[in-house]
Amino acid sequence: KAGVTQTPRYLIKTRGQQVTLSCSPISGHRSVSWYQQTPGQGLQFLFEYFSETQRNKGNFPGRFSGRQFSNSRSEMNVSTLELGDSALYLCASSYQIGTEAFFGQGTRLTVV
Amino acid sequence: QKEVEQNSGPLSVPEGAIASLNCTYSDRGSQSFFWYRQYSGKSPELIMSIYSNGDKEDGRFTAQLNKASQYVSLLIRDSQPSDSATYLCAVNIGSGGGADGLTFGKGTHLIIQP
Repeated sequence: KAGVTQTPRYLIKTRGQQVTLSCSPISGHRSVSWYQQTPGQGLQFLFEYFSETQRNKGNFPGRFSGRQFSNSRSEMNVSTLELGDSALYLCASSYQIGTEAFFGQGTRLTVV
Repeated sequence: QKEVEQNSGPLSVPEGAIASLNCTYSDRGSQSFFWYRQYSGKSPELIMSIYSNGDKEDGRFTAQLNKASQYVSLLIRDSQPSDSATYLCAVNIGSGGGADGLTFGKGTHLIIQP
């Protein structure tokens, strides 16, 4: 069956702009979580959605937000981009919160 | 604050030998434990999950969990050059109101020498 699909794969944005990333989970999976990966900090949890509700949130500023739609697809938004937001953004889907999570290929965001 | 600790390596293992990767975690409420493999420039790939104390085997991989010692490990038997990658340990405190996503270690860089 199809895996987790993230779009776009690559983005280049200017400081101060905003960006929206998309994630389509594995069919039947209702939990979608987002992570930021950087060389210095590793993989860090952003937030998790289940049945269109944000269940958990990591320690990131309010510029990072997300939502989940009724078909379980999810989007995350970053406003007022900063250079430090340059990272690989990964989406993972799972059947339930706390169960095995499968990652998409990620979106590489570069802020210039 | 939840922490997951791994030796960053690199861990160098001869081809055909057993590679042993270790991980400790700080939160005693942790309930789910996962090992991911990540090749350079790629996204993490789930290798093993383990939820209860003891060993869990899947092909050449064995995950071991000791909740009393807050320790989880991954053994790779008959190591192959294609196993060369960064291995990430991830811990989830549980589902429902107490969970806050997966906490990842920084990863161990494994090199299998032909």
